Amino acid sequence: GNSVTQMEGPVTLSEEAFLTINCTYTATGYPSLFWYVQYPGEGLQLLLKATKADDKGSNKGFEATYRKETTSFHLEKGSVQVSDSAVYFCALSGDNQGGKLIFGQGTELSVKP
Amino acid sequence: ETGVTQTPRHLVMGMTNKKSLKCEQHLGHNAMYWYKQSAKKPLELMFVYSLEERVENNSVPSRFSPECPNSSHLFLHLHTLQPEDSALYLCASSQVGRNSPLHFGNGTRLTVT
Repeated sequence: GNSVTQMEGPVTLSEEAFLTINCTYTATGYPSLFWYVQYPGEGLQLLLKATKADDKGSNKGFEATYRKETTSFHLEKGSVQVSDSAVYFCALSGDNQGGKLIFGQGTELSVKP
Repeated sequence: ETGVTQTPRHLVMGMTNKKSLKCEQHLGHNAMYWYKQSAKKPLELMFVYSLEERVENNSVPSRFSPECPNSSHLFLHLHTLQPEDSALYLCASSQVGRNSPLHFGNGTRLTVT
């Protein structure tokens, strides 16, 4: 079945450091891919998405490129801020799943001043 | 009020109690979801309602009983829960279709004593 695997956390970075959170997936067909972010005490918020191969999703300085050849959707940001501290979830929605999302286990990011 | 609203935010209940979680969406969506978020585990999809019909029940114990009276409201009725059911319960909504992102509420933090 479809699945999503994220790098283990927690990830701790200093402010202005470069961020990469790895995400790989297993799916049949052509899934849509998403990154969600969860700030403390809140629900998940959509950060960005990509719906076909080679698409790049971007928002708030974060980017991720849909790589079908490597089945990956890694999240990157060039310069993180303390306010980016949160848990990040990679997710996919498959061809025959009617919008149902499969989530990775989440990666906690902590940014220190 | 906009978005997805969940009440209560926090709930403590004994194993013999009966309680209900409520979710309301003001986004005009036609699908609603219950997810369970436990520490150190991926998000678990519990139930999906599409066009007010339950289309998925992921082997959830019968002590959890969902209800979707209309496209804007979703309930999760709880009875005779176990301590391992303590978790954050997240409600989400979307438009039916695989490219449509989920919009989450802030969740209900449930503690079973």
